[in-house]
Amino acid sequence: SAVISQKPSRDICQRGTSLTIQCQVDSQVTMMFWYRQQPGQSLTLIATANQGSEATYESGFVIDKFPISRPNLTFSTLTVSNMSPEDSSIYLCSAQQGMNTEAFFGQGTRLTVV
Amino acid sequence: GENVEQHPSTLSVQEGDSAVIKCTYSDSASNYFPWYKQELGKGPQLIIDIRSNVGEKKDQRIAVTLNKTAKHFSLHITETQPEDSAVYFCAASNYYGGSQGNLIFGKGTKLSVKP
Repeated sequence: SAVISQKPSRDICQRGTSLTIQCQVDSQVTMMFWYRQQPGQSLTLIATANQGSEATYESGFVIDKFPISRPNLTFSTLTVSNMSPEDSSIYLCSAQQGMNTEAFFGQGTRLTVV
Repeated sequence: GENVEQHPSTLSVQEGDSAVIKCTYSDSASNYFPWYKQELGKGPQLIIDIRSNVGEKKDQRIAVTLNKTAKHFSLHITETQPEDSAVYFCAASNYYGGSQGNLIFGKGTKLSVKP
């Protein structure tokens, strides 16, 4: 199993600013992902965080808006850049040891952009 | 790409009754089907999963069934308790089909168990 610590748990930010969300896993994991979840909605994959290389982004998400780092096998960050109110959402970090295995999630970061 | 439909969106049952949530998927190559429970203010947590070489799996009060021909799978919770109240998500993925194999989630079912 893996325990994921995600911070901050919530933040209120001014439009035009950027926020970096951190995700720390208590063990080395092969795969890390970042999701967005609108309140009461499903999870949408933003990108796969690849260790030592550029993240793989899903359709509709771009690196300039959501830069991701993954410097090692236990840590990743997601930055939400040049925020607008439409970026208000819950952002979730996830980790898996391999495809088709259990995905572990952080508790999420509730972001409000004003 | 894969598309996962989940029904119902809300479900209310009396304590002790059974609850059934159904999902359909579109990609016949999908081979892994997990179910997640998300409580308020927390991240989703895996409660049970099934792979395409198995038709049914049980874990105490929870069971999942898979019908590959019809491309649907269901979550069954028996003897429901108030602590089962949460949002449940089904998901599907296909790693061995040459695709990225990421999890595709349904829209979720909000289950309320009334004491």
